Amino acid sequence: EAGVAQSPRYKIIEKRQSVAFWCNPISGHATLYWYQQILGQGPKLLIQFQNNGVVDDSQLPKDRFSAERLKGVDSTLKIQPAKLEDSAVYLCASSSGTSGRLIYEQYFGPGTRLTVT
Amino acid sequence: QQQVKQSPQSLIVQKGGISIINCAYENTAFDYFPWYQQFPGKGPALLIAIRPDVSEKKEGRFTISFNKSAKQFSLHIMDSQPGDSATYFCAAARGSTLGRLYFGRGTQLTVWP
Repeated sequence: EAGVAQSPRYKIIEKRQSVAFWCNPISGHATLYWYQQILGQGPKLLIQFQNNGVVDDSQLPKDRFSAERLKGVDSTLKIQPAKLEDSAVYLCASSSGTSGRLIYEQYFGPGTRLTVT
Repeated sequence: QQQVKQSPQSLIVQKGGISIINCAYENTAFDYFPWYQQFPGKGPALLIAIRPDVSEKKEGRFTISFNKSAKQFSLHIMDSQPGDSATYFCAAARGSTLGRLYFGRGTQLTVWP
């Protein structure tokens, strides 16, 4: 079974520029998550989708971050404009269920390392 | 605020020794406690998880001990190997938040050969 795919793996941009990350979850997984992992910290949830719909975006800085999930499969996360403090690894994860044990078993992609200069 | 507090920040263990990482939480609504292992350049991978209705869960060399009254849980790695060198994260979740995981800050484990 193929894992969660993310691209690009690395991105360097200047502050105030825009950037987009792409995620392809494990086939058939209904729930998709975007996490931000700042160096030396644990991942922090930014947004969670179940199929096409957003179920939790309470931690997403909506003035600059946006995300969408196309046809309940692939997802993109965008930052516009980027700030220095956005430098982090952006992780995508997916889970097969929408409740119970299956929603907790999350499978992570390798992440995109973003550096904002 | 940090929902899950993890210690130590770093740990050095000799090959064959026992590695112990501790986590504490405040929110009694949490009902799922997983541990994730992360190697450099990789995403976290689910290692083992426990629910609060059991006090211990063992999978191979990895054991979770859970103390509900103290609101603490820990990961024990028996017979630690150099290949176990990685960053370990504890996390917690509650059903009402539909799978959202709250992670600790991580423990960097180094196992000397």
